Amino acid sequence: DAMVIQNPRYQVTQFGKPVTLSCSQTLNHNVMYWYQQKSSQAPKLLFHYYDKDFNNEADTPDNFQSRRPNTSFCFLDIRSPGLGDAAMYLCATSRDYVGNQPQHFGDGTRLSIL
Amino acid sequence: AQKITQTQPGMFVQEKEAVTLDCTYDTSDPSYGLFWYKQPSSGEMIFLIYQGSYDQQNATEGRYSLNFQKARKSANLVISASQLGDSAMYFCAMRGTQGGSEKLVFGKGTKLTVNP
Repeated sequence: DAMVIQNPRYQVTQFGKPVTLSCSQTLNHNVMYWYQQKSSQAPKLLFHYYDKDFNNEADTPDNFQSRRPNTSFCFLDIRSPGLGDAAMYLCATSRDYVGNQPQHFGDGTRLSIL
Repeated sequence: AQKITQTQPGMFVQEKEAVTLDCTYDTSDPSYGLFWYKQPSSGEMIFLIYQGSYDQQNATEGRYSLNFQKARKSANLVISASQLGDSAMYFCAMRGTQGGSEKLVFGKGTKLTVNP
């Protein structure tokens, strides 16, 4: 059974039209992460939550926002998507910050911009 | 700052043979963890194996083993008896346990192709 679930798997939006990607988890993990992965590149961390504490990466564009209304759900909002935002978006969780715990990833949402 | 280097953009292996995917790392943290993930073309990231910096033995998980050489700062992934389903991108990643433990730093990945 999937433990980190991302919806939808594929998302198409128009240039400049706000879009929201969702992630849910059944693991009851404290930490939830959002990564952006462009073609043939490594995942790039955008931000993460430890419980309700939000941690933004310094180089994450202001165009990207996130919400975590409860332990199970986390959302990625792109306020005005540009062509350069077309990518795979990966959600991941980990129980805590302890270094030996793997991050568990969802299947990703592939975002296309028209 | 932590850094992961994967020098092999692509690797080819015959089905049923073993293959080694290289990973070197750089960190000033005395305690750290190294992870390998598999990413098929469908996009999901699958955790394969973990090696802690203080672990005395090399990690093994089924057909996956990690050749950990701490003095050389290398953590190569060995896949034995390759299968067609092993064709995927493989990412080496590091997580520090002091200052920066909330992040995984990824290498650029190696694309493995298993030939029948």
